[in-house]
Amino acid sequence: EAAVTQSPRNKVTVTGGNVTLSCRQTNSHNYMYWYRQDTGHGLRLIHYSYGAGNLQIGDVPDGYKATRTTQEDFFLLLELASPSQTSLYFCASSDRQTEVFFGKGTRLTVV
Amino acid sequence: KTQVEQSPQSLVVRQGENCVLQCNYSVTPDNHLRWFKQDTGKGLVSLTVLVDQKDKTSNGRYSATLDKDAKHSTLHITATLLDDTATYICVVGDRGSALGRLHFGAGTQLIVIP
Repeated sequence: EAAVTQSPRNKVTVTGGNVTLSCRQTNSHNYMYWYRQDTGHGLRLIHYSYGAGNLQIGDVPDGYKATRTTQEDFFLLLELASPSQTSLYFCASSDRQTEVFFGKGTRLTVV
Repeated sequence: KTQVEQSPQSLVVRQGENCVLQCNYSVTPDNHLRWFKQDTGKGLVSLTVLVDQKDKTSNGRYSATLDKDAKHSTLHITATLLDDTATYICVVGDRGSALGRLHFGAGTQLIVIP
C-alpha cells in the first residue's frame, strides 16, 4: 500500500524560529512535493524534487527551503518562521500525475 | 489567477438527500481531473479520476462526469450520510507525467445534517 508519512503532525513555533518538516515515502517514487493549504485557497506548491539531491522551485517558495536527502526523504525548512507561514502542509509523492499520494498533513502554527 | 473554480463554496443538505458539486477550470492542457475528499484538517482521499474527453465514473454513492470541451466536471453524491461531511476538492492535472502541475480548486465544504 502506498505510504507517505509526515512528521510532526502538529507544530507550534515562535516568530523567527527554525522549523523542519519531514516527509518519507515508501512508494519508490521519484517525485516528491511540498504544498501548503490555506482557507479559501487550493493547495499551493512550495517546492518539489525529482530525485535525491534535486530541488525545483514551486509557485510559493518565498521563505522556504527544501532538501531531498534520499529517494525516500524530503524536508521542508523554515529558517525564520513568520505568522504568514501558519498553515496546513502536505507532502506528496508520485511518478505519474494520475498516481499521486498525499501524507496526512502537518499543522504548523507560528505565534 | 485561479484556474480551477468550484461551486458552491459551501452546501448544507439533510441526510439521505442527493447533492451535486461543480468544478469549472481553465487549465490547458487538461490531461485528467480528480476529485478528493478531505475531512477537516486531515489528508486527501481520492474519490475518482476522469481522463477521457467526455468521461463518467462511478464509485459507490459517488459518481462524476467530465466534459473537456466545456472544461467542466460534476461530482454527484447520492443518499448522503453524516460521514460525507467534508471538503471536496477538484484537481486538474495538465500532464500525464509527474513533470506536469496539479491545479487545485479551493474546495466545496459539504455539511450533512440529520
